[in-house]
Amino acid sequence: KAGVTQTPRYLIKTRGQQVTLSCSPISGHRSVSWYQQTPGQGLQFLFEYFSETQRNKGNFPGRFSGRQFSNSRSEMNVSTLELGDSALYLCASSPGQGIRNGYTFGSGTRLTVV
Amino acid sequence: AQSVTQLDSHVSVSEGTPVLLRCNYSSSYSPSLFWYVQHPNKGLQLLLKYTSAATLVKGINGFEAEFKKSETSFHLTKPSAHMSDAAEYFCVVSPPAGGSYIPTFGRGTSLIVHP
Repeated sequence: KAGVTQTPRYLIKTRGQQVTLSCSPISGHRSVSWYQQTPGQGLQFLFEYFSETQRNKGNFPGRFSGRQFSNSRSEMNVSTLELGDSALYLCASSPGQGIRNGYTFGSGTRLTVV
Repeated sequence: AQSVTQLDSHVSVSEGTPVLLRCNYSSSYSPSLFWYVQHPNKGLQLLLKYTSAATLVKGINGFEAEFKKSETSFHLTKPSAHMSDAAEYFCVVSPPAGGSYIPTFGRGTSLIVHP
């Protein structure tokens, strides 16, 4: 059974650019949640998509957005990158909405903004 | 409202000795609680979860945790540490079904295992 796949694994971008990260969930999982992990703030919830609809959103600026496709794959986009956006971005898939059903995490995308 | 506090940022043990990672939570409802482990440059892996069934929860790799409502704690233990247990551990609190579904992660405890 394939796990959660995040691409790319590593990214280096320049301040002001935009970036798109991809997450392919486990087959049959309908929910994808995104997290930002930094040494200073720990793991912070970005948003959750379930059945192609954003169901929950964390406290991040509008530069952070996402979407989910009919096959449950999800993308997140960050526009006008800032140095502080450097982080490990993790996605987690689950069969139903929320963590109660059990999250399976991907290995993450390491974004470095220079 | 909910919050979770991992009482130690670092825990250092010798291989073969017991492990105790402490977690206290605050919640205005009966929460679900989880422990996840993260090895370097990896995603998080579920160790165990409590969802209002048995208060003593057994997880993978010999870990277990006990839910103590009176102490609002959910400490993670293992009788004998192995070198491969060295990693970052996260305690997580989540609202019950029907809530906002947004979990709160602790800041993490780094477990160091000495040979």
